[in-house]
Amino acid sequence: SALTQPPSASGSLGQSVTISCTGTSSDVGTYNYVSWYQQHPGKAPKLMIYEVTKRPSGVPDRFSGSKSGNTASLTVSGLQTDDEADYYCSAYAGGNTGMFGGGTKLTVL
Amino acid sequence: EVELVDSGGGSVQPGGSLRLSCAASGFTFSSYWMMWVRQAPGKGLVWISTINHDGSTTTYADSVKGRFTISRDNADNTLFLQMNSLTVEDTAVYYCGREVYSQPDYWGQGTLVTVSS
Repeated sequence: SALTQPPSASGSLGQSVTISCTGTSSDVGTYNYVSWYQQHPGKAPKLMIYEVTKRPSGVPDRFSGSKSGNTASLTVSGLQTDDEADYYCSAYAGGNTGMFGGGTKLTVL
Repeated sequence: EVELVDSGGGSVQPGGSLRLSCAASGFTFSSYWMMWVRQAPGKGLVWISTINHDGSTTTYADSVKGRFTISRDNADNTLFLQMNSLTVEDTAVYYCGREVYSQPDYWGQGTLVTVSS
């Protein structure tokens, strides 16, 4: 994948976990257009974060995004059982092609 | 409320064709770029094609270039994906997405395409 994510992450109920998404100076490092998606098994992905830090209406403020250099991050605070899912990042690279990270499976212990 | 409804998936033999549709509602379809994304069983999301608001500009992933064609009917608020010369590697759930800066902000529910002999 053009964007690199860790294959797995885990955290205990009520704790916080951060998932990284590493791109390059041509995408994540240049543009503030990074999105994060949550996908439960058998379901369509759902937008959780857009433009690095913004949350769509209805997404809990336990989900937050940030960026430093070529790496964007998604932090989930106050982990709940329903947060257990796959998470994907996506970034804009200035053209007409899309790109996604390989996905991170989040396990809530 | 924005809604995207994917349809047209099914089972097909290698070398066959399918046409996927994505019916859009709840927003001004003709103002948005649209995309198709697929997900092979147990794998991650992969972008495959984008079309601009009026259909004059299209882009494709190398894996489908020359075999797949994206199009749209703005009068009918529908996005299409014509898939030809299908191979087993095309087996996946296909999602349409409303696109903002090359990223989907809304997704269809997906339609399963199975290519098998």
